Amino acid sequence: TQLLEQSPQFLSIQEGENLTVYCNSSSVFSSLQWYRQEPGEGPVLLVTVVTGGEVKKLKRLTFQFGDARKDSSLHITAAQPGDTGLYLCMGAQKLVFGQGTRLTINP
Amino acid sequence: GAGVSQTPSNKVTEKGKYVELRCDPISGHTALYWYRQSLGQGPEFLIYFQGTGAADDSGLPNDRFFAVRPEGSVSTLKIQRTERGDSAVYLCASSTDRAFGELFFGEGSRLTVL
Repeated sequence: TQLLEQSPQFLSIQEGENLTVYCNSSSVFSSLQWYRQEPGEGPVLLVTVVTGGEVKKLKRLTFQFGDARKDSSLHITAAQPGDTGLYLCMGAQKLVFGQGTRLTINP
Repeated sequence: GAGVSQTPSNKVTEKGKYVELRCDPISGHTALYWYRQSLGQGPEFLIYFQGTGAADDSGLPNDRFFAVRPEGSVSTLKIQRTERGDSAVYLCASSTDRAFGELFFGEGSRLTVL
């Protein structure tokens, strides 16, 4: 059983579309991190969310931490081919990753 | 170098052999982490060092896996009597501290056990 469940596992959309991916748990986390990983490389941190209900924006990416600090979402507006990659959430205090969402943006 | 360095980048070995994977963290980072990633999966936590000591080794799958960090910098992950199921990318990361810290990952060591 995964401590952090990410959905969907795979997502393939056209350039310019919007999308949302989710990270859910039955456990409470003091903080959640989102990473992006490209083939042959290690994950790279995108954002850390700490406060329940927190919303953070990073250009076209919007991250939200649930009020109960058990879930998080990542919304991408006007997706571009450069957004392609494996998106991972991590519960920082437990050092555990979800299984990831593999995102493909088609030109 | 400025980033986390892992060697070798690729290792092919035979079932039953002993393997060592090395991680050179970012200078000054006190925390060091080992993860294992199978194809299509997220990284699986193995062990976390704070300085020279293993602060959490709950992810090591069995006693064939062992890791050391004798001087609080470079770490070595050691796998005895390798099995085909050990084939994966082994990722190392470092951070300045434990709480809310950003993990900086190396590119990984791809281990293939034939």
